[in-house]
Order: sequence, then C-alpha cells, then structure tokens
Amino acid sequence: LAKTTQPISMDSYEGQEVNITCSHNNIATNDYITWYQQFPSQGPRFIIQGYKTKVTNEVASLFIPADRKSSTLSLPRVSLSDTAVYYCLVAEGDSSYKLIFGSGTRLLVRP
Amino acid sequence: GAVVSQHPSWVICKSGTSVKIECRSLDFQATTMFWYRQFPKQSLMLMATSNEGSKATYEQGVEKDKFLINHASLTLSTLTVTSAHPEDSSFYICSATRPGGEDTEAFFGQGTRLTVV
Repeated sequence: LAKTTQPISMDSYEGQEVNITCSHNNIATNDYITWYQQFPSQGPRFIIQGYKTKVTNEVASLFIPADRKSSTLSLPRVSLSDTAVYYCLVAEGDSSYKLIFGSGTRLLVRP
Repeated sequence: GAVVSQHPSWVICKSGTSVKIECRSLDFQATTMFWYRQFPKQSLMLMATSNEGSKATYEQGVEKDKFLINHASLTLSTLTVTSAHPEDSSFYICSATRPGGEDTEAFFGQGTRLTVV
C-alpha cells in the first residue's frame, strides 16, 4: 500500500500559485519526502525532495511541518505546461530504496 | 544530471511472442533498478526490483516466469515479457537510484509503450 494520500485532482489558472498537500501519517524517521511530475506517456521527473522545514529550488518549494506527517508542494505562478500528474512519495534516503507510488494529483492548469 | 534510458520507446508485437525492454543508466552505475507498469489513467505499479548479479525480487502478484528480469551489468537491466497477450499491453517504466549521499534521487526512463495485438 502507498504510504501517502493526495487529492485526486486540482484545477488552477495560469499565473496562480498551486499548493498540493500530501498526507503521510506513518512516515518513518529515515524517510525523505520526494515529489515527482509525470506528463502523459513519459516517465516521472524529479521535482523536489526534503526531510524537514522548507526546501526551495528553481521550480518549486516544499513545506514540511515539524511532525512531518504531511507536506505541501508549492508551484509558483503555474503555466499551461504544468498540467501533469504530481506524485508525493516517502522512502528511506539510501541508494536502494524502492518507491511505491500512490494515486497522485492530476493538476489541470487552464488559460 | 543522471540519465536513465529505455529502449524501445514503443513496440507492437503479436500475441504469443516475447518482447525485451532495455533500461540503461547512462552516467552512473546502478546496482539496483526497478521496473514499473502503468495502465492508462492509473498510477505506476512496482513490478520488481532488479539486482545486479542476482535474481530479481518480484512484488506480490507479478509472475516471475512471465516477466523475466536480467541485470547482467551495473548499467543495464532488461525486462522480457514472455508469451505476451493483449492484457500485457501497458506502459513499462524503469528507474535507477544513483548511489551515495543523503539526498538521493531516483531517475526514471522515458517509458516503453507495449501494444500486443
């Protein structure tokens, strides 16, 4: 069973900030939180990873509260090309962990 | 960044034949690779863990004799769908994790679309 729970879908408009929240109540001490993006007929693409507090890169921010039982992916000012499925995963941070995908969030960005 | 490449990107085969899909890590060595299957509008389902130099570990419900996995080198894993049937038509994706460091990242291939007719 997937360790995470996300909304099935979200709608947004171009230029808006989108926040996708993921629940992972049973996250383990060694688990990292990673978000992936997937376009149709492509493999998932890494977006961002974090362990606690806040992480920011050139495409997104990841907010993780102190209890680490949830996380929020923030996409600033989305564009039409951000329409995709977004997966939140938790897994141990070593080189051999296997990723179990949940249902993901299907984000639709409208003009 | 690290790249994982799959070949072919798509394949059409006749029912009853076998199809081999290759997964290569192009700029790093991967002792472990993973194979997923994805049906339309569904999430990725982990099929098996491919271990270099040893037998693959299959997830529950995945037939090891039907989905043969070989990981003969540190940069190549292959998935062979044997005696393919239309219900095996799906999108197959491999991944590999670059070893080392705390901040690890799994890299995914571009996927292989298999259509069995």
